[in-house]
Amino acid sequence: GNSVTQMEGPVTLSEEAFLTINCTYTATGYPSLFWYVQYPGEGLQLLLKATKADDKGSNKGFEATYRKETTSFHLEKGSVQVSDSAVYFCALRDSSYKLIFGSGTRLLVRP
Amino acid sequence: NAGVTQTPKFQVLKTGQSMTLQCAQDMNHNSMYWYRQDPGMGLRLIYYSASEGTTDKGEVPNGYNVSRLNKREFSLRLESAAPSQTSVYFCASNTAASNTGELFFGEGSRLTVL
Repeated sequence: GNSVTQMEGPVTLSEEAFLTINCTYTATGYPSLFWYVQYPGEGLQLLLKATKADDKGSNKGFEATYRKETTSFHLEKGSVQVSDSAVYFCALRDSSYKLIFGSGTRLLVRP
Repeated sequence: NAGVTQTPKFQVLKTGQSMTLQCAQDMNHNSMYWYRQDPGMGLRLIYYSASEGTTDKGEVPNGYNVSRLNKREFSLRLESAAPSQTSVYFCASNTAASNTGELFFGEGSRLTVL
C-alpha cells in the first residue's frame, strides 16, 4: 500500500544552520506531495506542496522538490530560526484522495 | 475567523465510558475528516465525509462512529472507550476530497482513557 517514510528525530540544530529532513514515499500512480508543520499546542498547517514530478514547493524559506526517480520529497531550509522549532510531517495524497502522513520529525533549534 | 473548532480540548474517561468529540467548520467546506495522532505513528485517518450525507471508513475506524450532522459539523463518537484510544484527535476539512489543496486542521482534542 501507499506509505510515507520520514527520518526519525529529534533533529537539533543551532540557529542559522542548514536543515534537511528526508522523506521518501511508496505509491502507485502520481501522488501529490505535501509538507505540514505543527507548532506546539496547535493543529497542522500546510507548509508547501508539489503536485507533479520536478515541481518545487516553497514557503517561508523552506523548499522541497518532487523527485519521482528517487521517490523523495526532502524538506530543506538554508538558515533555520528558533521559531522554526516544530514537528514536520511529510504526506501524500493518493488516487483515493486521502492524505497519508509520515510519522513526523521534531525539529529543535537552539539560539 | 474561527476555521475548524473542536470541543472538548481535553477529556479523561474511564474504560467503558462513552463520549462524543464535536467539530465545526465555518469555511463552507464540503469534506471533513477525523484523524488520531499517536507518538511515532503520525496521523492516521479514522473516518471521513466527502460531502454532506456521506461518511466512509479510513485506516483505523474500529471502535468509532461518526455523524455528519450538516455541512458544518462532523462528530466522532466513542461508544465504549478503551485505553488504546488514548490519543490526540484532530478534525480537518477542505473544499473537496478530490482537491489537492490544503487540509485545515483544528487544534486537537487530547483524550485519556484510564
